[in-house]
Amino acid sequence: EVQLVQSGAEVKKPGESLKISCKGSGYSFTSYWIGWVRQMPGKGLEWMGIIYPGDSDTRYSPSFQGQVTISADKSISTAYLQWSSLKASDTAMYYCARHEGTTSPDYWGQGTLVTVSS
Amino acid sequence: QSVLTQPPSASGTPGQRVTISCSGSSSNIGSNYVYWYQQLPGTAPKLLIYRNNQRPSGVPDRFSGSKSGTSASLAISGLRSEDEADYYCAAWDDSLSGGEFGGGTKLTVL
Repeated sequence: EVQLVQSGAEVKKPGESLKISCKGSGYSFTSYWIGWVRQMPGKGLEWMGIIYPGDSDTRYSPSFQGQVTISADKSISTAYLQWSSLKASDTAMYYCARHEGTTSPDYWGQGTLVTVSS
Repeated sequence: QSVLTQPPSASGTPGQRVTISCSGSSSNIGSNYVYWYQQLPGTAPKLLIYRNNQRPSGVPDRFSGSKSGTSASLAISGLRSEDEADYYCAAWDDSLSGGEFGGGTKLTVL
C-alpha cells in the first residue's frame, strides 16, 4: 500500500527557519517524483514544486522559486520542504504528493499545518 | 489567478447529474493528461480521475472524466449528499515546466 506520512503541525515565529518532511513507503521511492502543494486557509490548491529522488532533479513553480527549498534523502525515503525565514503569509496546510512522472499527483500525504505568528 | 479555470460553484439535487468544467490552453490541458480531485472538509485531496478519464480502484463509476482540446469535464451522476465537497482539476504545463491546479469548484447538494 502506497503511503506518504508527513511530519506534525508546526507553530513558528516570523523569521524562523523550518523543515517539514514526507516519508514514502509501499513503492519504489526513487522511481516517482514527489511534490509539494500549498493550501492557504479557505483557499485552493497551489502547486509548489517537485523532486525526483532518484537523481534529485527539482522543478519549482515560478511563484515559489527562491522562497522554499525542496530536497530528498533517498536512503530514508523522505522528501523535505524548507524555509530559511518564515513569514506570516506562509501560514497554510502543506501536502506532499507522489507524481507519476511529470504529470499530476496520485497519492497524497495527510498534510502538515504550518502556523507563523508573532 | 489559476491557469486552469473552473466555475467557483456548482449545485444539484440528489439523483441529478452535474458536470464541472476545467478550461486551459495548449500548453497544459491541450498536451497533457487531466486529473481530478475531491477534497472533503478538513481532509487531504483524493484522486478521482487520472489520465483524463481513468478511475482509480474504489472510486464509484458515478464519477467520469472527459477531455476535448483544451477543456476537460468531470461528471457526477446519481448525485448523493456525500458528494458535497470541493473539486479540483490539474494538469502539467509544458510552458511553465510545472504542475497547475484549477481554482476549485464547491459542489453543493441541495
